[in-house]
Amino acid sequence: EVQLVESGGGLVQPGRSLRLSCAASGFTFNDYAIHWVRQAPGKGLEWVSGISWNGGRKGYVDSVKGRFTISRDNAKNSLYLQMNSLRAEDTAFYYCVKDKGDYGDLQGDFDYWGQGTLVTVSS
Amino acid sequence: DIVMTQSPDSLAVSLGERATINCKSSQSVLYSSNNKNYLAWYQLKPGQPPKLLIYWASTRESGVPDRFSGSGSGTDFTLTISSLQAEDVAVYYCQQSYSTPFSFGQGTRLEIK
Repeated sequence: EVQLVESGGGLVQPGRSLRLSCAASGFTFNDYAIHWVRQAPGKGLEWVSGISWNGGRKGYVDSVKGRFTISRDNAKNSLYLQMNSLRAEDTAFYYCVKDKGDYGDLQGDFDYWGQGTLVTVSS
Repeated sequence: DIVMTQSPDSLAVSLGERATINCKSSQSVLYSSNNKNYLAWYQLKPGQPPKLLIYWASTRESGVPDRFSGSGSGTDFTLTISSLQAEDVAVYYCQQSYSTPFSFGQGTRLEIK
């Protein structure tokens, strides 16, 4: 059974940093791209970032470029999101999401989702 | 960047009736090299993560009931639920996977009339 378990969320002040983690199991982690997708309270879904199977290709939504960094450790079956210079508008549930594509690149169809971790940016 | 626009924002349909949700992309999401439309549909219920229903515009994900179908090409797409069931009450999102940044529509809330 595919499982994606996020951790690291919490309350943080504007301008501070937070690091999210995602522990994956139930599939061959290093065969697939993985993404972060967020949903602000009462709002829609927003793709934040994605990383290819070997980390060779990364993508970000414009609003987080230069502030967020995605990375992965295939030996630990883990995905990370380093979030710096956090803003109130970054407040959201952050989901770790598996890419459906078989070739490990950023195909962008999301077939398995974690339960999410809540990040609240507030003073 | 590709902007996705859904219509309507909300929809109320009687049990057993057809529900139709539309999605329009600001540019074509059809790859001419493989003739695939990079358009997916997701279902989001309260307290649950989103569920992939349809990808490549019309390919049903494994385990998704066949009352769900997707159609369309280029910039205009439709999700159809042929006979609405109570468990289909949810918010539905379309999403383009043609190019990064991948983008979602604003969502359509589906309720029972």
